[in-house]
Amino acid sequence: EAGVAQSPRYKIIEKRQSVAFWCNPISGHATLYWYQQILGQGPKLLIQFQNNGVVDDSQLPKDRFSAERLKGVDSTLKIQPAKLEDSAVYLCASSLDRSDEQFFGPGTRLTVL
Amino acid sequence: GESVGLHLPTLSVQEGDNSIINCAYSNSASDYFIWYKQESGKGPQFIIDIRSNMDKRQGQRVTVLLNKTVKHLSLQIAATQPGDSAVYFCAENQGSNDYKLSFGAGTTVTVRA
Repeated sequence: EAGVAQSPRYKIIEKRQSVAFWCNPISGHATLYWYQQILGQGPKLLIQFQNNGVVDDSQLPKDRFSAERLKGVDSTLKIQPAKLEDSAVYLCASSLDRSDEQFFGPGTRLTVL
Repeated sequence: GESVGLHLPTLSVQEGDNSIINCAYSNSASDYFIWYKQESGKGPQFIIDIRSNMDKRQGQRVTVLLNKTVKHLSLQIAATQPGDSAVYFCAENQGSNDYKLSFGAGTTVTVRA
């Protein structure tokens, strides 16, 4: 079974630029999560989708971050404009449903200069 | 084996010895806990979980202990191997109908040959 796919794996941008990350969850998984993992810390949930609807985006900085999962499968996370403190690994995870085990992708490492 | 009474960010252990990684959680209402292993450049990987109605659960070479009185969780790894070198995170579920994981700070385990 293929795991959670993410791209790109690495991205370097300058502050105030925009960036987008893509996630393809495990086939059939209804729930999709985006996490932010700052160096030396544990992952922090940014947003949770159930199919194509948002379940929880309470920790998403909505002034600069946006995410969508239009067809209930793939998802994109965008940052516009980026700040230095956005440098982190962005992890995507998926689960069969909301109370099932989460499987994580390899993450996208973002560096903002 | 080597053990850590309080959470420490790093743990160095001799190959073949037992390791104990500690974690303090924050919410006395949390009912489900998971230990994850994260290797360099990869996303967190599920190791073992435990529900709040249990105080011990064993897997292959791993044991999780839960002390709800002091809100403490530990992961014991038997006969530590070089492949066990990674960052280990505990996560507590703070959701009710679905999983809302809050991750701890992580412990970096280095296995000495």
